[in-house]
Amino acid sequence: GAVVSQHPSWVICKSGTSVKIECRSLDFQATTMFWYRQFPKQSLMLMATSNEGSKATYEQGVEKDKFLINHASLTLSTLTVTSAHPEDSSFYICSAPRTPGADEQFFGPGTRLTVL
Amino acid sequence: AQKVTQAQTEISVVEKEDVTLDCVYETRDTTYYLFWYKQPPSGELVFLIRRNSFDEQNEISGRYSWNFQKSTSSFNFTITASQVVDSAVYFCALSPYNTDKLIFGTGTRLQVFP
Repeated sequence: GAVVSQHPSWVICKSGTSVKIECRSLDFQATTMFWYRQFPKQSLMLMATSNEGSKATYEQGVEKDKFLINHASLTLSTLTVTSAHPEDSSFYICSAPRTPGADEQFFGPGTRLTVL
Repeated sequence: AQKVTQAQTEISVVEKEDVTLDCVYETRDTTYYLFWYKQPPSGELVFLIRRNSFDEQNEISGRYSWNFQKSTSSFNFTITASQVVDSAVYFCALSPYNTDKLIFGTGTRLQVFP
């Protein structure tokens, strides 16, 4: 079956630094990927839609300049948390449908970010 | 507004009990999709089911069953004869028409005790 990977699986960084998280579709091409954020014991909130070859679409309230998304190829989307602060500490999860409207979306295993 | 409500925050049952997880959704779309996902302690989401808005047939898959009722905007999930391995957080989600993005409910944490 389709697999979506994320790297790194966890990262600890100092406040003020930038962190890049990669999301890869391993055996299919994804023109669209989604980035979600999940705070401890809370739900997943959609942050943005990553579109291959064009700008990402951000959900209301998500800072574009803080969460930079680049969909560099049909198998890779990256999320960069710029000037990270402790309140950015969260579980970041990406997903991708094999094809638009596919029966199932494939979720990555998530990246746990801790900002000290 | 599009919204998914899972009123049950936590449920605890003893093994072999049946348990139903409730999900109520709001949308003005006539075409939409509903999902259930399981999130075990590892954090990785496990797909359980997708149902489109035109298919109100109940579905059974092993010990899992789903009851979709458009009249009450509900898509409830029942686990029969629960097992300890069913312990996880379960999310109901809505995908609006013509998009693959998901609107998640707040989740229900299920604990099954031996």
